[in-house]
Amino acid sequence: NAGVTQTPKFRVLKTGQSMTLLCAQDMNHEYMYWYRQDPGMGLRLIHYSVGEGTTAKGEVPDGYNVSRLKKQNFLLGLESAAPSQTSVYFCASRASGNSETQYFGPGTRLLVL
Amino acid sequence: EDQVTQSPEALRLQEGESSSLNCSYTVSGLRGLFWYRQDPGKGPEFLFTLYSAGEEKEKERLKATLTKKESFLHITAPKPEDSATYLCAVQASGGSYIPTFGRGTSLIVHP
Repeated sequence: NAGVTQTPKFRVLKTGQSMTLLCAQDMNHEYMYWYRQDPGMGLRLIHYSVGEGTTAKGEVPDGYNVSRLKKQNFLLGLESAAPSQTSVYFCASRASGNSETQYFGPGTRLLVL
Repeated sequence: EDQVTQSPEALRLQEGESSSLNCSYTVSGLRGLFWYRQDPGKGPEFLFTLYSAGEEKEKERLKATLTKKESFLHITAPKPEDSATYLCAVQASGGSYIPTFGRGTSLIVHP
């Protein structure tokens, strides 16, 4: 069981470039989440999904898009990167039902120049 | 609006010096309160879930307790390897899928 994995681990972008962050989980979880973590700000929810083919906006969705075409994968896209999107991005997943525990990936460090 | 406030923001302890971290919360019906540990450069790792006031859970040197307004993470005789950021989160009842996280307490334990 690999749990939650994220690709890539680290990336440097120039302003205006695009990229996709991949999150994969092998726990058959229904719910998946994308967060960003910045110093002094804690974890902030970008988008989430409650099942294959569904997505919803979180607290800070602007500048990001997501897709959940397969249950095990949740993609986060940046269409035109901005320096304000420099952050550490975490993906998390959890099972449906009463078990609310989220399992987090190792993170992707993104630097936008 | 659900809110979670953690205190202190940072805590420095000597090895063996017991202390507590606080998580105060405001939520419209608590479904669960979660504690996570986050090491530098890594993702948060689940520690405990508490569901109702009076509940307590323990793991090694850590003990989490819950009241109707706050939770404490007690650290007994900490070791340097307990150094990490500890995150608290609450999940409201009523069908919400989104937990609310606090900003964390950074704990450093000196040998």
